[in-house]
Amino acid sequence: EAGVAQSPRYKIIEKRQSVAFWCNPISGHATLYWYQQILGQGPKLLIQFQNNGVVDDSQLPKDRFSAERLKGVDSTLKIQPAKLEDSAVYLCASSLTPDFPGTNTGELFFGEGSRLTVL
Amino acid sequence: AQKITQTQPGMFVQEKEAVTLDCTYDTSDPSYGLFWYKQPSSGEMIFLIYQGSYDQQNATEGRYSLNFQKARKSANLVISASQLGDSAMYFCAMSSTGANNLFFGTGTRLTVIP
Repeated sequence: EAGVAQSPRYKIIEKRQSVAFWCNPISGHATLYWYQQILGQGPKLLIQFQNNGVVDDSQLPKDRFSAERLKGVDSTLKIQPAKLEDSAVYLCASSLTPDFPGTNTGELFFGEGSRLTVL
Repeated sequence: AQKITQTQPGMFVQEKEAVTLDCTYDTSDPSYGLFWYKQPSSGEMIFLIYQGSYDQQNATEGRYSLNFQKARKSANLVISASQLGDSAMYFCAMSSTGANNLFFGTGTRLTVIP
């Protein structure tokens, strides 16, 4: 079974430029998450989708970050304009259902992440 | 509000020895779950073990066991018979029913010495 795919793996941009990250979840997984992991910290949830609807985006800096999941499958996370503090790894995860992560159907599967460096 | 504390930024262990990674948590939710993830240098988060707040017995998965002490609000990970491939970052995380995503600690970097 193919895992969660993310691209690009690495991206270097200058501040005030824009960048987009793509995520393809595991086939059949209805729930998709974007996490931000700053160096030396644990991942922090940015946004959670259920199919193509947003469940939780309370931690998403909406003045510069946007995310969409138009057909309920792939998702794109965009940053415009980027700031130095946006340098981080952006992790995508998916689960079969939005159930509690301790259940079989709610377990999260993570991609390898997209590492962003803002100069 | 949920809080996860991992006080060990780095740990070293000799190959084949056991090691304990500490995790304390705080939540006002009566029902919650505690998780441990491994993050190798490749970057992906790999699920290791889960403990529910109402589980009577400590969780075990192969060489991993979770030492759950509810009164102390601790959920330490014990890795037995360490292997070189265990060298990685380890994150403690929690989730509460009704908030079906994960809240992570800052992690512990484990280095296994041959």
